[in-house]
Amino acid sequence: GAGVSQSPRYKVAKRGQDVALRCDPISGHVSLFWYQQALGQGPEFLTYFQNEAQLDKSGLPSDRFFAERPEGSVSTLKIQRTQQEDSAVYLCASSRGLGNQPQHFGDGTRLSIL
Amino acid sequence: GENVEQHPSTLSVQEGDSAVIKCTYSDSASNYFPWYKQELGKGPQLIIDIRSNVGEKKDQRIAVTLNKTAKHFSLHITETQPEDSAVYFCAASRVDSNYQLIWGAGTKLIIKP
Repeated sequence: GAGVSQSPRYKVAKRGQDVALRCDPISGHVSLFWYQQALGQGPEFLTYFQNEAQLDKSGLPSDRFFAERPEGSVSTLKIQRTQQEDSAVYLCASSRGLGNQPQHFGDGTRLSIL
Repeated sequence: GENVEQHPSTLSVQEGDSAVIKCTYSDSASNYFPWYKQELGKGPQLIIDIRSNVGEKKDQRIAVTLNKTAKHFSLHITETQPEDSAVYFCAASRVDSNYQLIWGAGTKLIIKP
């Protein structure tokens, strides 16, 4: 596709429910990143994939957060037993290759936990 | 770890004037410095970036300068237009940290007509 696509754009869930957020990166992009953005703040790194390999998950807040990219393209970020503090915008970015290549972002999924 | 500070948090300028946003970073090993523009309800959009082997880069009305010794970099927007109104973020990364971007807190730029 022309850009990074994320779905759903908005997700409302009750505390304790599980949610799954999807990211379709730019076709052919090797690297994929997930970030969390709280209101009025800059994004914070969650995790990084190079093809299907998750090379860095140091930013995941807890073991309730899980990300995968099984075939090296589409990625899913899953949050189990959601809590109110999980409410944020979740951004996905992809970049062409290795090294410090420009990261291109989707418009994010706004997650609200009631 | 890396820390990026960004100033000011809000900047209001008259249309046609210039705007300057400044960032400082703490990790001398950082070597890539992008700037992003984020409009309401949208994801960050890369507007310009600079690498540590370059001191300045320009793209039409936008320029970025980097001072490695002082560990700061700045975004310059000339001849501002209403569509420049947005939140601007600076970021930094280093090649051996798996390219994760460390972000500033953002600057809300308001262009007054």
